[in-house]
Amino acid sequence: DGGITQSPKYLFRKEGQNVTLSCEQNLNHDAMYWYRQDPGQGLRLIYYSQIVNDFQKGDIAEGYSVSREKKESFPLTVTSAQKNPTAFYLCASSSLWLAGTNQETQYFGPGTRLLVL
Amino acid sequence: AQTVTQSQPEMSVQEAETVTLSCTYDTSENNYYLFWYKQPPSRQMILVIRQEAYKQQNATENRFSVNFQKAAKSFSLKISDSQLGDTAMYFCAFMKLTAGGGADGLTFGKGTHLIIQP
Repeated sequence: DGGITQSPKYLFRKEGQNVTLSCEQNLNHDAMYWYRQDPGQGLRLIYYSQIVNDFQKGDIAEGYSVSREKKESFPLTVTSAQKNPTAFYLCASSSLWLAGTNQETQYFGPGTRLLVL
Repeated sequence: AQTVTQSQPEMSVQEAETVTLSCTYDTSENNYYLFWYKQPPSRQMILVIRQEAYKQQNATENRFSVNFQKAAKSFSLKISDSQLGDTAMYFCAFMKLTAGGGADGLTFGKGTHLIIQP
């Protein structure tokens, strides 16, 4: 089955600890994205990557880091510098766009709920 | 920077009725796409419908259709013959297209909680 997987489903972080959220896709998509969702809010872009070994900051990148060593994988690290990490984190992927092909549509994984102990 | 505004935090209609969710956006870009995503209680984001800004014809997908008014920067979603399974959060989203086939990521509104009553 083609799709996007995120793990773990739930993650608990202690004060001062870095944690890493996994995102893997087997859709052969070029671009991958990380979003954060807070209660009652829409999604906000953290980081995105359009090609291996390259990524850009989104609107709320502070306190987060990413890597893109493989096309299929785009892990997100929530560092101790992120003072309010409790949120629902969603990963998405898409192809690069070609007009009229639907390839640029972003498809989402099931999400990871991060809680602070 | 782009902004997306959904002015209806919550709506409730009876099953089989038609409902319209509103969305307005602000941008200086000319090449962009607009999307409606649905997020049921499972929290999985599901694409409902998409609209290319360069197309004048409104997109339709079965019971879902949009009213895209580019000059007014308005992008409303109409759900016909609403069903209990349509109960969910609905998010309007904007995507700017960049040269070379890339995109900067989606800008979302805060969502509308739609409740379909039996």
